[in-house]
Amino acid sequence: SQTIHQWPATLVQPVGSPLSLECTVEGTSNPNLYWYRQAAGRGLQLLFYSVGIGQISSEVPQNLSASRPQDRQFILSSKKLLLSDSGFYLCAVKTSGRTYNEQFFGPGTRLTVL
Amino acid sequence: AQSVAQPEDQVNVAEGNPLTVKCTYSVSGNPYLFWYVQYPNRGLQFLLKYITGDNLVKGSYGFEAEFNKSQTSFHLKKPSALVSDSALYFCAVRDMNSGGYQKVTFGTGTKLQVIP
Repeated sequence: SQTIHQWPATLVQPVGSPLSLECTVEGTSNPNLYWYRQAAGRGLQLLFYSVGIGQISSEVPQNLSASRPQDRQFILSSKKLLLSDSGFYLCAVKTSGRTYNEQFFGPGTRLTVL
Repeated sequence: AQSVAQPEDQVNVAEGNPLTVKCTYSVSGNPYLFWYVQYPNRGLQFLLKYITGDNLVKGSYGFEAEFNKSQTSFHLKKPSALVSDSALYFCAVRDMNSGGYQKVTFGTGTKLQVIP
């Protein structure tokens, strides 16, 4: 089974500062990878997804970007953080193969922008 | 387009009583349906899924869900609630015919509070 690592676990950043969140996956190859943001402990907003190295699709236009430099590494970045970027960021993995495979989620990164 | 609705923000149930967390969905084709649970400051954990076949799906921690095609519902159930079941529950749907990268749509979540 796969293991998903996210770091850092928590982060406090000033407005206007850059951001880099990392997600790495073990135990599977060529997965679909996803970045979600959860605000106020509720609904999930899909930010980016990737079906392969260097392939990134954005769901919501905003000041965030994502990259997938390796098969099992997914990075979320920003050049200048906004207050509205605060939230709980979750990386998720769907193993390749069956289209009905469920997603598995990492432990999350709590980002507070001050 | 696909969508999922969780009509209750919060469900309160006494420990030992049966619990139900409601979910309805909308897809143009046939659905794949999922339930996840989230404990505070944690990622979501997969509970169960419906793909096809038997309408009653059994999952982790004694949870089960019933698929009802005519009512487009996939309610989560447990015969006897535990205090440790208190958490945030998410229903999710994917249209079987959506193709592409297989986007899953999540509901807004229902907070389950089990009262001792």
